[in-house]
Amino acid sequence: AQSVTQLDSQVPVFEEAPVELRCNYSSSVSVYLFWYVQYPNQGLQLLLKYLSGSTLVKGINGFEAEFNKSQTSFHLRKPSVHISDTAEYFCAVIPVYNTDKLIFGTGTRLQVFP
Amino acid sequence: DTAVSQTPKYLVTQMGNDKSIKCEQNLGHDTMYWYKQDSKKFLKIMFSYNNKELIINETVPNRFSPKSPDKAHLNLHINSLELGDSAVYFCASSQVVTGDNYGYTFGSGTRLTVV
Repeated sequence: AQSVTQLDSQVPVFEEAPVELRCNYSSSVSVYLFWYVQYPNQGLQLLLKYLSGSTLVKGINGFEAEFNKSQTSFHLRKPSVHISDTAEYFCAVIPVYNTDKLIFGTGTRLQVFP
Repeated sequence: DTAVSQTPKYLVTQMGNDKSIKCEQNLGHDTMYWYKQDSKKFLKIMFSYNNKELIINETVPNRFSPKSPDKAHLNLHINSLELGDSAVYFCASSQVVTGDNYGYTFGSGTRLTVV
């Protein structure tokens, strides 16, 4: 079975500051990894994904994430946040050989202050 | 063009009623899903259908019955609604992994409130 841990339920940060949202996963098999963003009262939008290849993945809106297999982590980063980045961020994994079940972490609320 | 569309967006109903949520995808994906997001924002899979066949049913009460008339539609019918059913329900679709195109596409959600 797979599980995803997002240790920080809330991350407050000032505008233009850098941010890192942490994600660790547990799995006995290889997985694909994803970050989704949910803006207030909206659906889920894919930020970025890691399937294979380079461990540094760039996504939309200036976000990037780095896959670290030895630490089973997939932390999300942005060098300078904007007010508009205020949202809920979800890390998710799916087993490579059983792609029927995307498993989410509990989410991290990023609150950007002016 | 909306890739995954759900209707209605909001649904307020009384306990004991029966209601349905509809979902349609125009991406040509093979697999569709229902996820439930509770008040703490936790997302959990409920059902998964591949080419109209049920492949995942995650310990969901049998008051919830998904129906897939074709691979582009997956509807969710809920009988005898309870207060605890209040949540946001998301429909999603995906395609079998094909290189770099893999991923789930989510609808905008249906906020169900049972009073």
